[in-house]
Amino acid sequence: KAGVTQTPRYLIKTRGQQVTLSCSPISGHRSVSWYQQTPGQGLQFLFEYFSETQRNKGNFPGRFSGRQFSNSRSEMNVSTLELGDSALYLCASSLGLAGGFSSYNEQFFGPGTRLTVL
Amino acid sequence: GEDVEQSLFLSVREGDSSVINCTYTDSSSTYLYWYKQEPGAGLQLLTYIFSNMDMKQDQRLTVLLNKKDKHLSLRIADTQTGDSAIYFCAERRAAGNKLTFGGGTRVLVKP
Repeated sequence: KAGVTQTPRYLIKTRGQQVTLSCSPISGHRSVSWYQQTPGQGLQFLFEYFSETQRNKGNFPGRFSGRQFSNSRSEMNVSTLELGDSALYLCASSLGLAGGFSSYNEQFFGPGTRLTVL
Repeated sequence: GEDVEQSLFLSVREGDSSVINCTYTDSSSTYLYWYKQEPGAGLQLLTYIFSNMDMKQDQRLTVLLNKKDKHLSLRIADTQTGDSAIYFCAERRAAGNKLTFGGGTRVLVKP
C-alpha cells in the first residue's frame, strides 16, 4: 500500500507570490491534516479535513487555506508569501476522525514539502 | 493551555538505555504519542499511550505516563545508532485528529 505522498517535495518562491501544495492520502483514508514545521515554532497544526469539510483550524492567518476533494486528496494554499512562511509542510492522513476517548486513529505522515521563500 | 515541552538534546552510548522526557499541561488529553523524525523524512509513529494507562511496553520501547504530574517518558532499551533522530511527543484531546507537539528532543547515539 502506498504511503502518503506530497508534491512537490521542494519549492522556492519569492515574497508576495502564492503557492499550492498537494497531499494524496493513503488509499481508503478520508481524513487529512496539515502541519507547519519550522526551527523556531516547531510543529504547528494548520487544519484538518474530513469528507471535504474543514473540521478544525489552527491559529494561522487567512493567507493559509486548504481544501479536500471527493477522492480525499487535499491541497493547501498560501497567498502573499512572507519570508516567515519558509518551512516544511507536513500532511498526515488517517482513516477517519478520532472520536472521544475510544478512538486511537493512527495518523500517517508524508515526507513533507520544503518551501523556501526568498 | 496548549503547551508540550521536551528537553532539546540527549547523547547516549550505543547499547545503553535512552530516556526522553516530556511534560504537558492539558489534563483533558486522551492519547499521548511518540514520533520519530529522521533527516529529510516525515514523522514516524513509534508508540502511543491512552491517558488511563500508566505504562505501555512495545519491544525496545517503554512509555511511562504520570498523569498527576502530567509527565510522559519514552525509554529505548539497547539504543542503536539507527535510533539517532529527533523524537517528538504529542498529545491529542477528546475529538478530532489535531496533535499538539513538543519541540522535539534530538537524540545522538555514539558508537
